Amino acid sequence: DSGVTQTPKHLITATGQRVTLRCSPRSGDLSVYWYQQSLDQGLQFLIQYYNGEERAKGNILERFSAQQFPDLHSELNLSSLELGDSALYFCASSALAGGPGNIQYFGAGTRLSVL
Amino acid sequence: GESVGLHLPTLSVQEGDNSIINCAYSNSASDYFIWYKQESGKGPQFIIDIRSNMDKRQGQRVTVLLNKTVKHLSLQIAATQPGDSAVYFCAETGGSNYKLTFGKGTLLTVNP
Repeated sequence: DSGVTQTPKHLITATGQRVTLRCSPRSGDLSVYWYQQSLDQGLQFLIQYYNGEERAKGNILERFSAQQFPDLHSELNLSSLELGDSALYFCASSALAGGPGNIQYFGAGTRLSVL
Repeated sequence: GESVGLHLPTLSVQEGDNSIINCAYSNSASDYFIWYKQESGKGPQFIIDIRSNMDKRQGQRVTVLLNKTVKHLSLQIAATQPGDSAVYFCAETGGSNYKLTFGKGTLLTVNP
């Protein structure tokens, strides 16, 4: 168990809908990261928050947004869902903002199916 | 642009053999590398890491080798066990961008 908790484990929804994925980081970790994993794109970095502030952005679509709350948990919001958004979404957390030695620990993921 | 890739997408070994998984990277500014293991239905699990000022690091049954000259790293697993069957990812970060970039992964299958 990595200590990173993601809910829900599975999510089935329809195109055009909006969903929220939730992540609780390991105790003491200040950074939260979101990744998308699909068969054809591998593990893609979406966005990072550090202590409540956006720290780094990857290939995150404008339809997607995230935030980190004062208690350090994070939510990833996906709107106007398309079939191609079906994927595994992982949250990871780490103690620091970045740099050597900053190990990211991953949750078990949320499997999103858009029908 | 930056990229991290794997030479072999699949690797099949016999139980008890040693496994070697390779990874190439292109960002010369990379200064930190991590290997992750992902079992079916689970999230990536940290295995071992190495900083760019080292060329070798050993863990329990695993060794990571880093060759900065040719931008290559490898993960060696000794006495491979069925529980080692998984997808293995290398990831790198460095420079002013601390984003972790993952390779596409290698599927390791251990035959009993």
